[in-house]
Amino acid sequence: QVQLVESGGVLVKPGGSLRVACTASGFSFSDYFMSWIRQAPGKGLEWISYMSASGATKRYADSVRGRFIISRDNANNLLFLQMDNLRAEDTAVYYCASLGGSYHPFDSWGQGTLVTVSS
Amino acid sequence: SYELTQPLSVSVALGQTANITCEGYNIGTKYVHWYQQKPGQAPALVIFRDNNRPSGIPERFSGSSSGNTATLTITRAQAGDEADYYCQVWDSHIVIFGGGTGLSVL
Repeated sequence: QVQLVESGGVLVKPGGSLRVACTASGFSFSDYFMSWIRQAPGKGLEWISYMSASGATKRYADSVRGRFIISRDNANNLLFLQMDNLRAEDTAVYYCASLGGSYHPFDSWGQGTLVTVSS
Repeated sequence: SYELTQPLSVSVALGQTANITCEGYNIGTKYVHWYQQKPGQAPALVIFRDNNRPSGIPERFSGSSSGNTATLTITRAQAGDEADYYCQVWDSHIVIFGGGTGLSVL
């Protein structure tokens, strides 16, 4: 069955950098768009980025554009989110999710990885 | 930028029908997707493209959308339906989530 497992969430200081990863299995990863969605403690869902199946198309939310970079390794079924210049407001659980394409729903989600930005 | 507005909370008596609304300008012209998030869990898709259920989602869950309002309807509400529910649309190749509605089953 479809499985998405995030990893890499840790405590990091403001201004610091971090890369989180998502390992996919159980489906044809290279055929799917992939996305990162985050949820601050006690708050709602916030979409932050998605990437097309080939990697040719990337989109970002205004809140992270210029600081975060999404990437993927289709050979190894991996999705990444490089996060630079982290701020306290980036503290959240980061979920990866798969989708069939642009304008599709998020059909599978990982369990999330917690990123805490604090001094 | 496009915005979706959901009530903060909705209460429903056990076995009755709950309606969770999602308001947005001309939302009826967009496909609306709905997600359920139970405490401590990741979100899960319960309705896609306004009124379609993924496999494994009970028929008690349905959706509709028209004008400026989309609605998620849960009939014969059960204790296990207590969760946060989020609507979601796409607008100009960007993903928009509603603020979420907490459903309480009394």
